[in-house]
Amino acid sequence: DQQVKQNSPSLSVQEGRISILNCDYTNSMFDYFLWYKKYPAEGPTFLISISSIKDKNEDGRFTVFLNKSAKHLSLHIVPSQPGDSAVYFCAATDMEYGNKLVFGAGTILRVKS
Amino acid sequence: EPEVTQTPSHQVTQMGQEVILRCVPISNHLYFYWYRQILGQKVEFLVSFYNNEISEKSEIFDDQFSVERPDGSNFTLKIRSTKLEDSAMYFCASRAEGTQYFGPGTRLLVL
Repeated sequence: DQQVKQNSPSLSVQEGRISILNCDYTNSMFDYFLWYKKYPAEGPTFLISISSIKDKNEDGRFTVFLNKSAKHLSLHIVPSQPGDSAVYFCAATDMEYGNKLVFGAGTILRVKS
Repeated sequence: EPEVTQTPSHQVTQMGQEVILRCVPISNHLYFYWYRQILGQKVEFLVSFYNNEISEKSEIFDDQFSVERPDGSNFTLKIRSTKLEDSAMYFCASRAEGTQYFGPGTRLLVL
C-alpha cells in the first residue's frame, strides 16, 4: 500500500535552520492531511493538520503546505530545535468515508546543536 | 490536557493464547480506532468503531480479532489466538472532529 509516501528516510538539519519534510499521496479522495511526531516506544503525537480546501496552515513554528494538483504536502519547522529530533509521519484520510488514517513510512529528523 | 491511555504498556504471551489490550479514549470522543506498527514497518489501520459497532476494518482484522466497548470509558482489542506475526506495537486512537489522537501504545510480543 503506497498511497502515502515519504521518500526521505532521514533528514539532518542544524539548530536554528529550517526543516522541510515532504510527503506525496496518490489517492485523490484524500481530503484531510495530518503530521504526527513520534519518539521510540511512544504513540504518534499530533502536530498539525490541513484540509484540502486550504493550501497552508500555520501553528507556531510549524507550517504545512498542500499542493493538491501535485498531490504533495510539506511540513516546515522554523526554527528547528534539538527537541524536534524524532520520526515525523505524514497521514491522510478521506473524511467522507471511514476516516481511517493512511500513514507514510516516516522521516527521521535529527536537529544538530 | 485530556489524553488517550492504554494498558498494559507491554505484554508478552505464548502463541495461541488470548490477549486483551485496553484503551481509555478521550472522554467526549465518539470515534475509536486501533492501529498497529510491526517493527520497521508503517503504522497500519486495523479497525474503526462508532456508535457501538465496527464502521470499517482492514484485511488484517480477521476473525481472530474483536473489539468491544464494554462500558462508557473502555475500548478493548482482543486477539483470540495469537500468532508470532501479531507481535507489534498496538495503538488506540480516538477523535471528535477531524484529528485522531493516539495513546502511548502496547508493545505485544508473541513467543
